[in-house]
Amino acid sequence: GENVEQHPSTLSVQEGDSAVIKCTYSDSASNYFPWYKQELGKRPQLIIDIRSNVGEKKDQRIAVTLNKTAKHFSLHITETQPEDSAVYFCAASIGVNDMRFGAGTRLTVKP
Amino acid sequence: DGGITQSPKYLFRKEGQNVTLSCEQNLNHDAMYWYRQDPGQGLRLIYYSQIVNDFQKGDIAEGYSVSREKKESFPLTVTSAQKNPTAFYLCASSTRGAQETQYFGPGTRLLVL
Repeated sequence: GENVEQHPSTLSVQEGDSAVIKCTYSDSASNYFPWYKQELGKRPQLIIDIRSNVGEKKDQRIAVTLNKTAKHFSLHITETQPEDSAVYFCAASIGVNDMRFGAGTRLTVKP
Repeated sequence: DGGITQSPKYLFRKEGQNVTLSCEQNLNHDAMYWYRQDPGQGLRLIYYSQIVNDFQKGDIAEGYSVSREKKESFPLTVTSAQKNPTAFYLCASSTRGAQETQYFGPGTRLLVL
């Protein structure tokens, strides 16, 4: 079936460093790629998204890049802060109705 | 996010019992979804609905049922056929389909007594 692979599963960085999370997908027709942040026991919240007609999108300290040829996309967080600590999920649209999520990356930012 | 609500926050199920999780949205969204989240894992799709009175099975629909009688509401019933129901259940909605942003409710944690 269609799959979204996410790496790494855990990531620990020092405050102020950058963090990168990578995802690959298998459906060449996927055209919408959101990233969600989920704090413990809370709902996932959208932090940034990108569509297939764009290669890169940035919002302050957060950026997402997309390589359609290689079928992978990445989340970049610069100048990390302790409040960035959470689980991050990537996702890819599958057809019109379906969305597949990666297994998540637990990011820890050490003060 | 405040426009999509779930209740209750915690739910306890006894052996052989059916329980229903509520999901309501006032965002005027056509599409609604139910996901299951197990510890340390991603979200798996149970059911989705693109329009009133229509819904489709996701990857793990066995042991679950839904209805979509109103645009605002998409309740999920966990039946006694679901042998491992303990999980965090998330409802989401979007304007149309999966190519639009999904907004999540706060979740319901289901535990088995």
